[in-house]
Amino acid sequence: SQTIHQWPATLVQPVGSPLSLECTVEGTSNPNLYWYRQAAGRGLQLLFYSVGIGQISSEVPQNLSASRPQDRQFILSSKKLLLSDSGFYLCAWSTGTGDQPQHFGDGTRLSIL
Amino acid sequence: GEDVEQSLFLSVREGDSSVINCTYTDSSSTYLYWYKQEPGAGLQLLTYIFSNMDMKQDQRLTVLLNKKDKHLSLRIADTQTGDSAIYFCAGSNYGGATNKLIFGTGTLLAVQP
Repeated sequence: SQTIHQWPATLVQPVGSPLSLECTVEGTSNPNLYWYRQAAGRGLQLLFYSVGIGQISSEVPQNLSASRPQDRQFILSSKKLLLSDSGFYLCAWSTGTGDQPQHFGDGTRLSIL
Repeated sequence: GEDVEQSLFLSVREGDSSVINCTYTDSSSTYLYWYKQEPGAGLQLLTYIFSNMDMKQDQRLTVLLNKKDKHLSLRIADTQTGDSAIYFCAGSNYGGATNKLIFGTGTLLAVQP
């Protein structure tokens, strides 16, 4: 069966520091991968998605970037964090064909001080 | 683009039925989804309905879809305290190689013992 892992689960970082959040998927090949941010107000915002290695699409302009160095690995990064980057970050995957449901990881709670 | 709306809060007594409602604007979604989010956790896919169906039942869950009114509902029978969570409906915007989900703001279900 397929599983998705995110780490770390929680992270506290100072303003201006770098960021690297990692997401890996097991049990499937060539998945579509997604990064979402959930702010305190509850709504989910799609940040990035990827349909293959090295292929990244950005949904909103921001201080973050994403990379996909391997088929089942998706990384969310920043060179210098802002206070507004605080939130709950969720990674998700779906099969690479057709209109399919997305399956989410357990998320990373990021607090910026 | 797609816009998905939900009421913010619903309170029910244990053993009663819960009905969570959702309206959407774009009728081109192939599937419509319901996700559950428990505190501090990721999103769990509960169920989804194909857009040419009116109803889908899965144990205690019943999904009703009214395409004419663009209205989706999730009924939970015999609601338990473990059902307390935020429930998100989502429509899909499938284009090209990937499926973008558009989430509602979520409905917080509080189950009173």
